[in-house]
Amino acid sequence: DTEVTQTPKHLVMGMTNKKSLKCEQHMGHRAMYWYKQKAKKPPELMFVYSYEKLSINESVPSRFSPECPNSSLLNLHLHALQPEDSALYLCASSQEPGQISNQPQHFGDGTRLSIL
Amino acid sequence: TQLLEQSPQFLSIQEGENLTVYCNSSSVFSSLQWYRQEPGEGPVLLVTVVTGGEVKKLKRLTFQFGDARKDSSLHITAAQPGDTGLYLCAGDRGSNYKLTFGKGTLLTVNP
Repeated sequence: DTEVTQTPKHLVMGMTNKKSLKCEQHMGHRAMYWYKQKAKKPPELMFVYSYEKLSINESVPSRFSPECPNSSLLNLHLHALQPEDSALYLCASSQEPGQISNQPQHFGDGTRLSIL
Repeated sequence: TQLLEQSPQFLSIQEGENLTVYCNSSSVFSSLQWYRQEPGEGPVLLVTVVTGGEVKKLKRLTFQFGDARKDSSLHITAAQPGDTGLYLCAGDRGSNYKLTFGKGTLLTVNP
């Protein structure tokens, strides 16, 4: 069982809907990540939060809006998405925003998002 | 340009066979991680290699980091159907956050 919990597991939404993806970890990790993964492809980094502050935005369209309400929670707010945004959205966390070799990223099982 | 070249992209073998997956780059990495991802799940970290020439074993899986820290390999001995999944290598170039992923190897082990 993964220690990073993502909800919902599946989400179907229309292009005009507003929805949110949620991620939770209770490992005391201070860095949290959002990735997008298309089928049989590697994950692509979207956002990084370090100590609840946005550290990296990989030029993600504004229809994706991240939020980190506290050190355990990470949200991804979705609005006016396009069909090409259909993908698996993965959340990950690591202990400290330090050297990756000492601070491996732990992934959740993702939210499978389908845009109609 | 793909920073981490992973090969093969697809591999279908019979139970009991051995296999090797390669991850190559012209760049030096501070560390390299191997993940396995099963359908409907997130990637699960298998190992992190840090030192050039390092070899790590995890049951039937052997991971090697190249001397120059530019390449890595994953060798599976006597593959089992439970080894089926997407194997991802991911390198860290010392940026604190960013992992550079290879394109992945989709392994199918047939009973």
